[in-house]
Amino acid sequence: QSVLTQPPSVSGAPGQRVTISCTGSSSNIGTGYTVNWYQQLPGTAPKLLIHGNSNRPSGVPDRFSGSKSGTSASLAITGLQAEDEADYYCQSYDTSLSDYVFGAGTKVTVL
Amino acid sequence: QMQLQESSTGLVKPSETLSLTCTVSGDSISNGRYYWGWIRQPPGKGLEYIGKVFYSGSTYYTPSLTSRVTISVDTSKNQFLLRLSSVTAADTAVYYCAVLTSDSSTGGFFGSWGQGALVIVSS
Repeated sequence: QSVLTQPPSVSGAPGQRVTISCTGSSSNIGTGYTVNWYQQLPGTAPKLLIHGNSNRPSGVPDRFSGSKSGTSASLAITGLQAEDEADYYCQSYDTSLSDYVFGAGTKVTVL
Repeated sequence: QMQLQESSTGLVKPSETLSLTCTVSGDSISNGRYYWGWIRQPPGKGLEYIGKVFYSGSTYYTPSLTSRVTISVDTSKNQFLLRLSSVTAADTAVYYCAVLTSDSSTGGFFGSWGQGALVIVSS
């Protein structure tokens, strides 16, 4: 059972906006440790999408944005495209576990 | 552009030791800017952090695996290694190596990943 909770799936039509939530606790997201997001396309390795809550690495489209508030974080995808169909994982650090932790992942389906 | 590449034997018998090597290109493990980490993903499941190593050899392992895991670094070959002993079918997974940008105040993130290596534990 992941300490970071994500919805198993979200879906949207092309062009729509979808959001993925990542709910933690006072021992991880709520402590001030940042949230990072990874995109895993089918059959490939995860790729860093957002780091430090809201920073996009070079090459990541600005359709992807991240935010954090309290013990939760969100990833938003605007202008959804077919190529965005993938699994998305949030990640942070947990002080109680003294460990890096991942959410269980959210599958994004483009209708 | 940093690149990481895993290599492994692929098939390991139960109770034996799993070994993987990650070769880093495009940067030096000894630069001291990063940690070097291992993450695994069982078939059809999510990501599990295994541990990390610094170029000096200092390590940290996730508590659930600490009794069985060893991560080391070979700076002469620009590689870091993972060994997991006493494996069972539950250790069957795709194993990824990744570069970890770690900060005591913000935590850290895995910036670049290898393509992954499937390790199957079976007799």
